Amino acid sequence: KAGVTQTPRYLIKTRGQQVTLSCSPISGHRSVSWYQQTPGQGLQFLFEYFSETQRNKGNFPGRFSGRQFSNSRSEMNVSTLELGDSALYLCASSLVAGGWYNEQFFGPGTRLTVL
Amino acid sequence: DQQVKQNSPSLSVQEGRISILNCDYTNSMFDYFLWYKKYPAEGPTFLISISSIKDKNEDGRFTVFLNKSAKHLSLHIVPSQPGDSAVYFCAASDTGANNLFFGTGTRLTVIP
Repeated sequence: KAGVTQTPRYLIKTRGQQVTLSCSPISGHRSVSWYQQTPGQGLQFLFEYFSETQRNKGNFPGRFSGRQFSNSRSEMNVSTLELGDSALYLCASSLVAGGWYNEQFFGPGTRLTVL
Repeated sequence: DQQVKQNSPSLSVQEGRISILNCDYTNSMFDYFLWYKKYPAEGPTFLISISSIKDKNEDGRFTVFLNKSAKHLSLHIVPSQPGDSAVYFCAASDTGANNLFFGTGTRLTVIP
């Protein structure tokens, strides 16, 4: 069974630009959660999508948004990039909503660098 | 403000001995706790979880203990193996699973 895939793996952008990251969950999984990992703040929950609906959201500004498609693939968008957005962005999938109450599987992450 | 804290950034243990990783939290509304393991260049892997209605949960070599009064949980690995060398994150969820808060991680090195 294929795991969670994230594209691209590495990305370099400049301040003010926007970026879209993609996550394909494990086949049959309907929940996708997004996380940000930085050296200063560690791992932080961004949001969870289930059945194309945002189920909950962490403490991030509105510049961070996402969506989920009918095939459960999810995209995350960050607009007006700031230097502090440089991070490893991880997505995780699980069979049902409430990702972490049910075992969730993480992808390898997308390393975003903002210059 | 860090609501979940792992005060030991690193830990070294001899193969075969017990590894004890600690985690403290500040929010009494947290009711579900998890441990993840992370190897370099890979995403975290779920290890074990515990609900606040329990004080212990065991899965093979891994046992998580929860002390609600002290707002403290620990992960015991017995016996430790070189393949356990990784960064371990504890995480806590508030009632209703609205958010998941992570600690900053402890790097475990198991020495053969």
